[in-house]
Amino acid sequence: GDSVTQMEGPVTLSEEAFLTINCTYTATGYPSLFWYVQYPGEGLQLLLKATKADDKGSNKGFEATYRKETTSFHLEKGSVQVSDSAVYFCALSDGGYSSASKIIFGSGTRLSIRP
Amino acid sequence: DTGVSQNPRHKITKRGQNVTFRCDPISEHNRLYWYRQTLGQGPEFLTYFQNEAQLEKSRLLSDRFSAERPKGSFSTLEIQRTEQGDSAMYLCAIPRGVEAFFGQGTRLTVV
Repeated sequence: GDSVTQMEGPVTLSEEAFLTINCTYTATGYPSLFWYVQYPGEGLQLLLKATKADDKGSNKGFEATYRKETTSFHLEKGSVQVSDSAVYFCALSDGGYSSASKIIFGSGTRLSIRP
Repeated sequence: DTGVSQNPRHKITKRGQNVTFRCDPISEHNRLYWYRQTLGQGPEFLTYFQNEAQLEKSRLLSDRFSAERPKGSFSTLEIQRTEQGDSAMYLCAIPRGVEAFFGQGTRLTVV
């Protein structure tokens, strides 16, 4: 079945450092790909998405590119802030662009940023 | 505005007791999903509804679990004879485009 594998944490960085969190997926068909974020004490929220190969999703300085040839969707940010400390989940939707199907999540990567 | 309200936010129960959670989408949506998130893991799909019909159930949903969506609006998830392994965050979600919008969840602790 479809699955998502992401970089294990925790990841600890200093403020203004460059961030990469690796994510690879296994899927039949053409999934949509997502990064969700869970800030301390808050609910799960969508950070960015990409719905087809070579699409780049971006939000709040974070970016990820849908790479079909390497089945990857790595999350990057050029300069992290303390406020980026959270748990990040890579995910895919198995239903394709035209339908809202169930979402399959990776195990999450906890990110801590030191001032 | 798209949103999902879940109640209660926290529930502590003794092993063997029954518990029920409720999910209320703020606006009408045909589909509604339930997920479970255990500590240190990502959410795992449990079941989903298309209006009143429960169309798919994960193998994680043992026969002690039952979910309903009687009028195609709010949904309830009941766990009978709770076990310590049921301790988790139970999340409700509605579709928004190709992604899902999640409620804050109900955190269940079985003691």
